[in-house]
Amino acid sequence: EVQLQESGPGLVKPSQSLSLTCSVTGYSITSNYWGWIRKFPGNKMEWMGYISYSGSTSYNPSLKSRISITRDTSKNQFFLQLNSVTTEDTATYYCASSYRYVMDAWGQGASVTVSS
Amino acid sequence: DIQMTQSPASLSASLGETVTIECRASEDIYNGLAWYQQKPGKSPQLLIYNANSLHTGVPSRFSGSGSGTQYSLKINSLQSEDVASYFCQQYYDYPTFGAGTKLELK
Repeated sequence: EVQLQESGPGLVKPSQSLSLTCSVTGYSITSNYWGWIRKFPGNKMEWMGYISYSGSTSYNPSLKSRISITRDTSKNQFFLQLNSVTTEDTATYYCASSYRYVMDAWGQGASVTVSS
Repeated sequence: DIQMTQSPASLSASLGETVTIECRASEDIYNGLAWYQQKPGKSPQLLIYNANSLHTGVPSRFSGSGSGTQYSLKINSLQSEDVASYFCQQYYDYPTFGAGTKLELK
């Protein structure tokens, strides 16, 4: 059974970069797709992007200039970096295993607040 | 972006009742629709994909239907463990989500 766990700072200052790690157990990230989704206060959900089994990426066009998803296959981890954050990036960030765009397993979520 | 309009926003139902939640897409999404359940304090769980395919391990009282721009999730014989929020997600284009439905027991 695949399990995912997000980790990273819970507080980020405006204009800085948000960086999160997703550690995966029970399944190799060289198979399947691995994505990031966030849930804003008020419960709106936004798909952010994925990195595929081959290392290719797909990003939400609304974030394309600020987002990067990378991976370390030796550690079975993948990463989210979101640049130039504002208070509007405050959200719970989830990593997930996916059949491309259908998320079949999710991490517990990491709450990130953007504030000075 | 394809907009997903989900209704109702909240729903109260009795044990054993049948519940239906609906999502309407702003354009045809050709059955590229998933439904998720999220219990309080937990991560979302996939229920349905391709509009009507039941994900592995999901009880058969859950079903999905629809086509074009109109889709629905039906829960037959509501159980106490079904108290949760439910949301739809289209993936015909870059994924977008419905606003969610909070299901409570009456």
